[in-house]
Amino acid sequence: GAVVSQHPSWVICKSGTSVKIECRSLDFQATTMFWYRQFPKQSLMLMATSNEGSKATYEQGVEKDKFLINHASLTLSTLTVTSAHPEDSSFYICSASFSGHYNEQFFGPGTRLTVL
Amino acid sequence: KQEVTQIPAALSVPEGENLVLNCSFTDSAIYNLQWFRQDPGKGLTSLLLIQSSQREQTSGRLNASLDKSSGRSTLYIAASQPGDSATYLCAVQSQAGTALIFGKGTTLSVSS
Repeated sequence: GAVVSQHPSWVICKSGTSVKIECRSLDFQATTMFWYRQFPKQSLMLMATSNEGSKATYEQGVEKDKFLINHASLTLSTLTVTSAHPEDSSFYICSASFSGHYNEQFFGPGTRLTVL
Repeated sequence: KQEVTQIPAALSVPEGENLVLNCSFTDSAIYNLQWFRQDPGKGLTSLLLIQSSQREQTSGRLNASLDKSSGRSTLYIAASQPGDSATYLCAVQSQAGTALIFGKGTTLSVSS
């Protein structure tokens, strides 16, 4: 149980285009979803926290107009990278948690974004 | 602000050795601590989760301890195998329902 999926697993796009990444909790309802970003040889850094039906809370330095997060249901959150540039190339990982099970976070497999 | 540090950054050992990975955190007021494994280019695999009230957790050849008052956790890997080669990440959760704060990881290489 407690499986989180992400789609796509990898994406290559041209500079200036927008990319949408989906994060789904497959067998539980996620009260909260988190989006992290990982640059090469670095650790995961939190980008934003999203709760179903409310606006996401972004970390300092993360542009909310560039990284659009929608959490329309208890099983789906999406991250849209708008007008992507090469510096946005990174590994994006989502996680989901629910109030039971010690609030443990369950991570998706990640999405590798490469912007040319 | 909570900071998580992992030492060493990299470790190479021959197969069969027992080893210890270290994690320290600056704020002892944590809700839980979790150890993950990450293979190159892949996502995270949760290894062990220790609640703040617990002192250790065990799973197979892995044992994680937590000393909250000193802000330290260790991951002990017994009888290491080449398949254990990966990056090991330590992460703390300050409060229930909040995001995890990660260390930079220890990259382990086990040679046969």
